[in-house]
Amino acid sequence: QVQLQESGPGLVKPSETLSLTCSVSGGSISSYYWSWIRQPPGKGLEWIGYIEYNGRTIYNPSLKSRVTISVDTSKNQFSLNLTSVAAADTATYYCARVRGSFDYWGQGALVTVSA
Amino acid sequence: QSVLTQPPAVSAAPGQKVTISCSGINSNLDDHFVSWYQQLPNTAPKLLIYEDDKRPSGIPDRFSGSKSGTSATLGITGLQTGDEADYYCGTWDNSLRPLFGGGTKLTVL
Repeated sequence: QVQLQESGPGLVKPSETLSLTCSVSGGSISSYYWSWIRQPPGKGLEWIGYIEYNGRTIYNPSLKSRVTISVDTSKNQFSLNLTSVAAADTATYYCARVRGSFDYWGQGALVTVSA
Repeated sequence: QSVLTQPPAVSAAPGQKVTISCSGINSNLDDHFVSWYQQLPNTAPKLLIYEDDKRPSGIPDRFSGSKSGTSATLGITGLQTGDEADYYCGTWDNSLRPLFGGGTKLTVL
């Protein structure tokens, strides 16, 4: 059974960089695509971007200038960096596996942007 | 504002059937598979339906999906209080970017 787990700071100051890591267990990251999705409190899902195990990425155009997703196959992990954060970036951030649909999800990590 | 349109809320009594619609512009739904996700309160979304009408292992057959043209529908029969959740449809655009509907809150009266 594939499992995903997000980790990273729960509080980030405005204008700083949000960094999260997703650890994958129960399967190799060297297959499929891997994605980040976020959900502001009380709102719907917003796709951030996804990465293939070889490093090829596709980002949401609305976030592209601030987002970097990277993969570390040796650790079976992939990561999210979101720069210049503001209050609007406060959300629960999910990592998920992409296999035509998002078939496995992490439990989510709440990240609050506040001074 | 989502490209895929869902009703904000639906409700039905226990044991009844409910349907949730998902309509897409720019022929996204017509060209690509649709998936559905269930998000129980304070939990991560879970895949409910993939490739328009397929259920992952462990999803009961009370849940069904269908698609016709640029609209898709999630059906839930034999409603249970445990089905109260937010439901999201999803698909892809022609640049292989995922799209989500705005979500539908299901209340089991």
